[in-house]
Amino acid sequence: DAGVIQSPRHEVTEMGQEVTLRCKPISGHNSLFWYRQTMMRGLELLIYFNNNVPIDDSGMPEDRFSAKMPNASFSTLKIQPSEPRDSAVYFCASSHTGIEQPQHFGDGTRLSIL
Amino acid sequence: GIQVEQSPPDLILQEGANSTLRCNFSDSVNNLQWFHQNPWGQLINLFYIPSGTKQNGRLSATTVATERYSLLYISSSQTTDSGVYFCAVEEPFGNEKLTFGTGTRLTIIP
Repeated sequence: DAGVIQSPRHEVTEMGQEVTLRCKPISGHNSLFWYRQTMMRGLELLIYFNNNVPIDDSGMPEDRFSAKMPNASFSTLKIQPSEPRDSAVYFCASSHTGIEQPQHFGDGTRLSIL
Repeated sequence: GIQVEQSPPDLILQEGANSTLRCNFSDSVNNLQWFHQNPWGQLINLFYIPSGTKQNGRLSATTVATERYSLLYISSSQTTDSGVYFCAVEEPFGNEKLTFGTGTRLTIIP
């Protein structure tokens, strides 16, 4: 079975540019999560969706960040405009709501803003 | 919000040794999960364990929810066990939101 697929794996861009990260969850999973990992703050949840609906975006740092899930098999996290402090590894995870349903993570996107 | 503390922060062991990693949490939780982040950065789910004990090969985990802690046991360590181990908890009515601990960095020396 294919796991959570993220693209790109690496992104290097200059500050001020728009960045779009993409995620395909595991087929059949109805919850999707975006996390950010940095040395200073560790792993923190940015936003999560259930059945394509954003449930909690309280972790989104500021208005420069936005996320969408137009259908059950695709989500994007967008940063516009990007800043050097956005440099981090961004993970997408998915799970199936219910009993004993662990979260499965993609390989992450390593983002560097110069 | 809930606080999640892991200990020790760092652990260096010889191959073949056994280890115990601890996760303390400050409030009741709906569930608790253990993850391994390997040296390539991949996060692998090891256990979904809100209470009780589970085993998977050389790894086992025990959560005592009433006392607000969980333990991850690794027996006969191998170099491939190296990496960072995270525990993550979901608060009651947390709607699946996980709060991660700061991790235990395990290094297995051949």
